[in-house]
Amino acid sequence: EPEVTQTPSHQVTQMGQEVILRCVPISNHLYFYWYRQILGQKVEFLVSFYNNEISEKSEIFDDQFSVERPDGSNFTLKIRSTKLEDSAMYFCASRTPDRQNTEAFFGQGTRLTVV
Amino acid sequence: AQSVTQPDIHITVSEGASLELRCNYSYGATPYLFWYVQSPGQGLQLLLKYFSGDTLVQGIKGFEAEFKRSQSSFNLRKPSVHWSDAAEYFCAVGPYNTDKLIFGTGTRLQVFP
Repeated sequence: EPEVTQTPSHQVTQMGQEVILRCVPISNHLYFYWYRQILGQKVEFLVSFYNNEISEKSEIFDDQFSVERPDGSNFTLKIRSTKLEDSAMYFCASRTPDRQNTEAFFGQGTRLTVV
Repeated sequence: AQSVTQPDIHITVSEGASLELRCNYSYGATPYLFWYVQSPGQGLQLLLKYFSGDTLVQGIKGFEAEFKRSQSSFNLRKPSVHWSDAAEYFCAVGPYNTDKLIFGTGTRLQVFP
């Protein structure tokens, strides 16, 4: 069964450093998403991406964040200068173009720890 | 504002007992509704979804959920819980006019043998 793959599974970084979280969505999907879950809190939407541009973003997704689809398979989330409060589990998701009767498939997540 | 409420933060049941996890949403129209499960250290797995049609939907692992428009609810049920069902369960709403999911705070299910 096709799945969304995220790497790394766990990343530790120092405050102020840049991190790039990587995702390989399911191959025929065209909508891509990043969500995050701070420990003990709810899963929060960050950004959606379609046709090589951001289609929607939350207030959390400020100038420190950026997304990119550098090639035909990867979808990345970059945090330019990490802060302690960026520590969270980051989930990538993807879905097919048909919004009717389809759902987002989530990856296993990348746990980001900022020290 | 659109929101999802899961009133029960933590539920403990005995193996073999029935289960109902509550979910209420706040939205002006009928949204798309989902239940996801997150096992310890794992990602989010879709249990079931409701888009339209029959208000009782069947999912994986023996779960079902019923959409009740009058109550703005989408409660998850299972007639007999297994120890492997211990996990965190998230209800989510996908409003039709936006592309994001809004998640509830989750219900942690503990199963005793």
